[in-house]
Amino acid sequence: EVYLVESGGGLVRPGGSLRLSCAASGITFSGYWMSWVRQAPGKGLEWVANINQDGSVKYYAGSVKGRFTIFRDNGKNSVYLQMNSLRADDTAVYYCARLYTSSDMWWFDPWGQGTLVTVSS
Amino acid sequence: QSVLTQPPSVSGAPRQRVIISCSGSSSSIGNNAVNWYQQLPGKAPKLLIYYDDRLPSGVSDRFSGSKSGTSASLAISGLQSEDEADYYCAAWDDSLNGPVFGGGTKLTVL
Repeated sequence: EVYLVESGGGLVRPGGSLRLSCAASGITFSGYWMSWVRQAPGKGLEWVANINQDGSVKYYAGSVKGRFTIFRDNGKNSVYLQMNSLRADDTAVYYCARLYTSSDMWWFDPWGQGTLVTVSS
Repeated sequence: QSVLTQPPSVSGAPRQRVIISCSGSSSSIGNNAVNWYQQLPGKAPKLLIYYDDRLPSGVSDRFSGSKSGTSASLAISGLQSEDEADYYCAAWDDSLNGPVFGGGTKLTVL
């Protein structure tokens, strides 16, 4: 079975930085795109970023472009999200998810349990 | 404001059937596959339907998906109390190279 476990969340002041980690097990990690999706308290899901299998291709939502960086270490079966210049509206539970893509198919499965990031002074 | 539009809430009695709608545009639903995710209270989302109408292994066949033009629907038949959850539709957005989600629909089983 595939497991994704996020870590690194916490309380950070506006303008600060935080790095999230997501460790995968049960899959050939280097064979898949990976993604981060967030959910603000009481709100819906918002895609954050995607990264391809070798880390050479990355895409970001407009709300985080230039502030967040997604990267991965296939040797450690892990994907990361470096978050800089954090703002109050970045407060959310951050989920990592495997992004399956094939031809015109795509889906997120599985998802990790999420890690809470709170940006507040 | 979400790119895909869902009703904020739906409800139904046990054993009834409910339908959750998801409306998008030609650049999202109209041109790409739709997936549905179920989020139980306090839990991470779970894939429920992929590629418009396909069920992942292990998902009950009480759930079904459909798509027509720029709209999609999720139907849940034989409602059970454990179906109470938030349901999200999602479609790929070619301009983002990422997905867009609906705002979510809270299902209440009366």
